[in-house]
Amino acid sequence: KAGVTQTPRYLIKTRGQQVTLSCSPISGHRSVSWYQQTPGQGLQFLFEYFSETQRNKGNFPGRFSGRQFSNSRSEMNVSTLELGDSALYLCASSLAGGPIEAFFGQGTRLTVV
Amino acid sequence: SQQGEEDPQALSIQEGENATMNCSYKTSINNLQWYRQNSGRGLVHLILIRSNEREKHSGRLRVTLDTSKKSSSLLITASRAADTASYFCATDEKDSSYKLIFGSGTRLLVRP
Repeated sequence: KAGVTQTPRYLIKTRGQQVTLSCSPISGHRSVSWYQQTPGQGLQFLFEYFSETQRNKGNFPGRFSGRQFSNSRSEMNVSTLELGDSALYLCASSLAGGPIEAFFGQGTRLTVV
Repeated sequence: SQQGEEDPQALSIQEGENATMNCSYKTSINNLQWYRQNSGRGLVHLILIRSNEREKHSGRLRVTLDTSKKSSSLLITASRAADTASYFCATDEKDSSYKLIFGSGTRLLVRP
């Protein structure tokens, strides 16, 4: 069974640009969550999707958005990038009802210059 | 910050020794989980303990949970160099089951 796949693995963007990150969950998993990891703030929850519906959202500005498709694949978008958005973005999938035993992808390392 | 606290922040031990790391959290929870992360890569789920459980074992791992003190500990016995990683506790809150609140993590170095 393939694991959680995140693309791209590495990304360098310029301040003010926007970026879209992709996550393909484990087959059969319908819940997808996104987390931001930085040295200063640690691991912080961004949002969670289940059956194309956002069920929870973390304390991030509106520049951070996401969506989930009917095949459970998910994307997150960050607009008007700031230097502080440089981070490892992790996607996690789980079977159904939330974060029980979440399976994480390898992450997308975003660097904003 | 919503994060829980973990201590120690860093731990260095010799191969074969036991490693204990502690986690404290802030709210009522459904479950507490421990994850491992190798060098800035994805997290790997280690073990889950439910709020009505006090202790759980999995291989060389032993987890305890004290909901009255809002704390948990992870014990790794007979450590190996391959256990070198960062370890995070994560809770899901009773009133918000769709997100994990992570602790600040413990960096474990196991010297061969």
